[in-house]
Amino acid sequence: QVQLVQSGAEVKKPGASVKVSCKASGYTFTSYDINWVRQATGQGLEWMGWMNPNSGNTGYAQKFQGRVTMTRNTSISTAYMELSSLRSEDTAVYYCARGRIGSRFDPWGQGTLVTVSS
Amino acid sequence: QSVLTQPPSASGTPGQRVTISCSGSSSNIGSNYVYWYQQLPGTAPKLLIYRNNQRPSGVPDRFSGSKSGTSASLAISGLRSEDEADYYCAAWDDSLSLVFGGGTKLTVL
Repeated sequence: QVQLVQSGAEVKKPGASVKVSCKASGYTFTSYDINWVRQATGQGLEWMGWMNPNSGNTGYAQKFQGRVTMTRNTSISTAYMELSSLRSEDTAVYYCARGRIGSRFDPWGQGTLVTVSS
Repeated sequence: QSVLTQPPSASGTPGQRVTISCSGSSSNIGSNYVYWYQQLPGTAPKLLIYRNNQRPSGVPDRFSGSKSGTSASLAISGLRSEDEADYYCAAWDDSLSLVFGGGTKLTVL
């Protein structure tokens, strides 16, 4: 079955960077975009951007431009999201989701909790 | 605040029909499809409705979506206790950014 499995929880200090992975299985990794969405505790969903695993092309939400980098390793069907210059407000669960630009997200990864604390 | 507007809460008793609204603008809902996601407590969101009113396989036909102009709604009929969850509407903006509603917490009384 189509599945996205994310890396484990992270604790980072303010100013550091975090890199979350998302391993795809059950489909051709390069055929669908990977999107990243985050959710602060008790808050709603916030889209961060997308990456095309075939071309490596990316598109980021304006809020995260300059701080986020989305990459991939096609040999292991894995997408990555790196967020730099972390601050406490970045504490959230980060989800990857399969979905072409302009289309639906299905399925989603299980989520990765990133905690930013001194 | 969120680009799309949803009521923060909704409730109903088992068997009832409830609707959740989602309001946007001409650049998102007005010109693109609406999607609905269900998030059960402590879990990742799951696709519930796509392209305004289409159900993925496995989603009961108790769930239905509609869109008119710059607004959309999700209807749940024959409400069940397992429907208690957060529901989010989403739409792509003409600038190719995805925008979400703030979410509606559905309580089954």
